[in-house]
Amino acid sequence: LAKTTQPISMDSYEGQEVNITCSHNNIATNDYITWYQQFPSQGPRFIIQGYKTKVTNEVASLFIPADRKSSTLSLPRVSLSDTAVYYCLVNPPYNFNKFYFGSGTKLNVKP
Amino acid sequence: EAGVTQFPSHSVIEKGQTVTLRCDPISGHDNLYWYRRVMGKEIKFLLHFVKESKQDESGMPNNRFLAERTGGTYSTLKVQPAELEDSGVYFCASSQDPGGDFTYEQYFGPGTRLTVT
Repeated sequence: LAKTTQPISMDSYEGQEVNITCSHNNIATNDYITWYQQFPSQGPRFIIQGYKTKVTNEVASLFIPADRKSSTLSLPRVSLSDTAVYYCLVNPPYNFNKFYFGSGTKLNVKP
Repeated sequence: EAGVTQFPSHSVIEKGQTVTLRCDPISGHDNLYWYRRVMGKEIKFLLHFVKESKQDESGMPNNRFLAERTGGTYSTLKVQPAELEDSGVYFCASSQDPGGDFTYEQYFGPGTRLTVT
């Protein structure tokens, strides 16, 4: 089971770029890296997924170094509405019982 | 497009009673999953349906939990009899089969908060 380690919490201000790093030292060859966002009283929401190098979509970028033992979620110009818990998951395709949500990172965006 | 819906949003029952949670996935999603977070711990996988078939139920904690997905549409998760340690938030998620460009995204519902007293 590929567990992940993330900071418990982070603070930021509106308009700043936020980078959240996740360690996954025992990632397997066929594992993908996925980030989810969760607001209070809601279910997790998919943000981005990648296997190697860099992935970018309309809300975030995901940077994965060559050894894949860590990954960084980058949120450009955060707003107050980005205050949430962010989870880094490492999982092989179609193997959901190996999803490890962990404690996540509580991002607090201040005005 | 409607998202994943769960009912009820909150249920309070006494120890020993039975509770049934319902999940309606996004229309057309063959894959349906149940997760739960208990007592402030991490979210953990319970089981996975592909249409009406249980693909993986390795996360089900014990035989007091029974999940069904008759007809491959909505799913129910029954807890009988409920115990105190079953209190927590039960999430349902659904997904399509990914295409050739693998993107694995699960859409989660808002969860059902179960309180066993």
